[in-house]
Amino acid sequence: QQQVKQSPQSLIVQKGGIPIINCAYENTAFDYFPWYQQFPGKGPALLIAIRPDVSEKKEGRFTISFNKSAKQFSLHIMDSQPGDSATYFCAASMDSNYQLIWGAGTKLIIKP
Amino acid sequence: DSGVTQTPKHLITATGQRVTLRCSPRSGDLSVYWYQQSLDQGLQFLIQYYNGEERAKGNILERFSAQQFPDLHSELNLSSLELGDSALYFCASSGPTAGGPSVNEQFFGPGTRLTVL
Repeated sequence: QQQVKQSPQSLIVQKGGIPIINCAYENTAFDYFPWYQQFPGKGPALLIAIRPDVSEKKEGRFTISFNKSAKQFSLHIMDSQPGDSATYFCAASMDSNYQLIWGAGTKLIIKP
Repeated sequence: DSGVTQTPKHLITATGQRVTLRCSPRSGDLSVYWYQQSLDQGLQFLIQYYNGEERAKGNILERFSAQQFPDLHSELNLSSLELGDSALYFCASSGPTAGGPSVNEQFFGPGTRLTVL
């Protein structure tokens, strides 16, 4: 019940396309859902996060869509660029303990 | 720059040895998390400390131990090293910080790359 399942494992998209990465969770007590971006050899960095009281959040070219009833959330990258090539991790946590439960990661490649 | 520092950046050692990895959290952050990331793998949560006390434990081996000191820096001790312990080890920190971002947000350091030969 503590797991966060992320798919796909890898994704290749042409420049300008819209990659979509999906995550699903089971624990309805989760109330914070972040996405982290990690470049090779670097630490992950927070990209965007959402709470269950909204269904969508946009920050620049990055959008989180959240479906509370389906217990799913996804990351969309608009007008994708080769510089977006990285590994993306979704996660979930509860305000009661702040421990992040991580998805397995998606390796995204944006082809020029 | 996340504000989290980790030393050393690289560490090469032999099987059976013991090493210590060091982490300084962002100013004001009370929580420190340790993660292991093997080549092309996900993040494996090892352990969390909050204000000097162990808060949560993940898949941390008995050969590994950690502590958080009164000045809030943390050390991860890895002993009886095996080839399979070769990985990137990340430290992250989170709040509370007055007026800062959500305490849920973890800020990651640059990592220590451990190679066991």
